[in-house]
Amino acid sequence: NAGVTQTPKFRVLKTGQSMTLLCAQDMNHEYMYWYRQDPGMGLRLIHYSVGEGTTAKGEVPDGYNVSRLKKQNFLLGLESAAPSQTSVYFCASSYVGGRSGNTIYFGEGSWLTVV
Amino acid sequence: AQKITQTQPGMFVQEKEAVTLDCTYDTSDPSYGLFWYKQPSSGEMIFLIYQGSYDQQNATEGRYSLNFQKARKSANLVISASQLGDSAMYFCAMSSGYSSASKIIFGSGTRLSIRP
Repeated sequence: NAGVTQTPKFRVLKTGQSMTLLCAQDMNHEYMYWYRQDPGMGLRLIHYSVGEGTTAKGEVPDGYNVSRLKKQNFLLGLESAAPSQTSVYFCASSYVGGRSGNTIYFGEGSWLTVV
Repeated sequence: AQKITQTQPGMFVQEKEAVTLDCTYDTSDPSYGLFWYKQPSSGEMIFLIYQGSYDQQNATEGRYSLNFQKARKSANLVISASQLGDSAMYFCAMSSGYSSASKIIFGSGTRLSIRP
C-alpha cells in the first residue's frame, strides 16, 4: 500500500540550482496535484494534471515546471531555485478529482530549503 | 476566479465546547465541492468532511458537520464537543473548474487550540 510517494523528502539547494521532485502513485488515479505550503499557511496549488500527458497551471505556477509523461508519475521541476521557493511541497492524487469526499490522497510532503 | 477565504487565523476553545470554523468561497461554476481537512503538527492532511454543491442536506461525519449556506457562499465547519486531540490546523478547500472537479484550492487555514 504505497499510495502517494514523494521523493526526495528533504533537500537543501543553493540559489540557482535545479532539481526535480517526483510524485508517484500506484492507484491508477487520473488527477494529480502539486501544492506548496509555507509556514503557518495553507496549501497553494502550483500545477495540476487531469490525465497522462496533460498539465495545467494552478495559483502559483511561476518558477516551476511539471510533466506527466506516465500516468503514475507527476514531476515538479525547479529550473533555477530561489530562496522564495523554500517550502514544504505536497503532492496529491485522485481518481475523481474533487467530485466526492474522501478521494484525495496526499503524499507526506517534501521539505525544500533554498539557501 | 475561484477563491477560498478563512478569516480566523487562530481560535481558542474550551474542551467539550462546540466550535465553528468559518469558510467562505467564490466560484462561477454551478457545480463544485467543498472539503475540510485537518492538519496536526505531524503534517499529514486528514480528510474530515465533504459537501457537494447540489447536495440537499448539510454533510455530517461523526462530531463534524458542515453548515452549507449556498446563497451566502459559506461552508462553515462545526465541531461538537471538542477534544484535546482536535488541536490542529484546519483547512477549507474547494473543487471546481473543468468537469467541476479538476482544480482543488485551499484556504489559508485556522489554527484551533483546545484548552483543557
